[in-house]
Amino acid sequence: DGGITQSPKYLFRKEGQNVTLSCEQNLNHDAMYWYRQDPGQGLRLIYYSQIVNDFQKGDIAEGYSVSREKKESFPLTVTSAQKNPTAFYLCASSNWDSYNSPLHFGNGTRLTVT
Amino acid sequence: AQSVTQLGSHVSVSEGALVLLRCNYSSSVPPYLFWYVQYPNQGLQLLLKYTSAATLVKGINGFEAEFKKSETSFHLTKPSAHMSDAAEYFCAVSVRTGNQFYFGTGTSLTVIP
Repeated sequence: DGGITQSPKYLFRKEGQNVTLSCEQNLNHDAMYWYRQDPGQGLRLIYYSQIVNDFQKGDIAEGYSVSREKKESFPLTVTSAQKNPTAFYLCASSNWDSYNSPLHFGNGTRLTVT
Repeated sequence: AQSVTQLGSHVSVSEGALVLLRCNYSSSVPPYLFWYVQYPNQGLQLLLKYTSAATLVKGINGFEAEFKKSETSFHLTKPSAHMSDAAEYFCAVSVRTGNQFYFGTGTSLTVIP
């Protein structure tokens, strides 16, 4: 079945450590996205990528970095510069060129930093 | 600028009662509108989408939504709530320019037996 795989589902880190969240899709979608979800705040866009080797900052990119070396993969690194990294992180993808293509989401990674 | 407002962060209904979740949007260009559902500790699943082909859109699990341009609304309804409908619901709008999606803050639906 086609879909988006995020791993791990739960991640625990000490403050000051960088951590990388994995996102892989086999939907052949061009565009991929990272969102952060906090209670009562909906989804906030961190980064998105339209094509391989290109990505743009979203609304809350500070303290995060991404890469897009392959069409299928869009890993997110939460750096020690992110002041409040504990959150639920969602990866999504869509057909960039497809008329009104919706977002398809992975099942998320819950990151806890202590 | 695009934005989405979901009125009511928490909605409770009795099992078998009508479900009505409200969504209003603002958009400077014709929008594409979506409703998503999220169960605890899971990703978002598409319920339905508005594509301008018809103003009344039917989705999965018996949900439907009506696009009302004059009211800039896209409210989600279901005639009879089921216990399994308890979840978080998000309204989203996208515009092709930049292919950005904008989400509301979500409505948590509780179904009372």
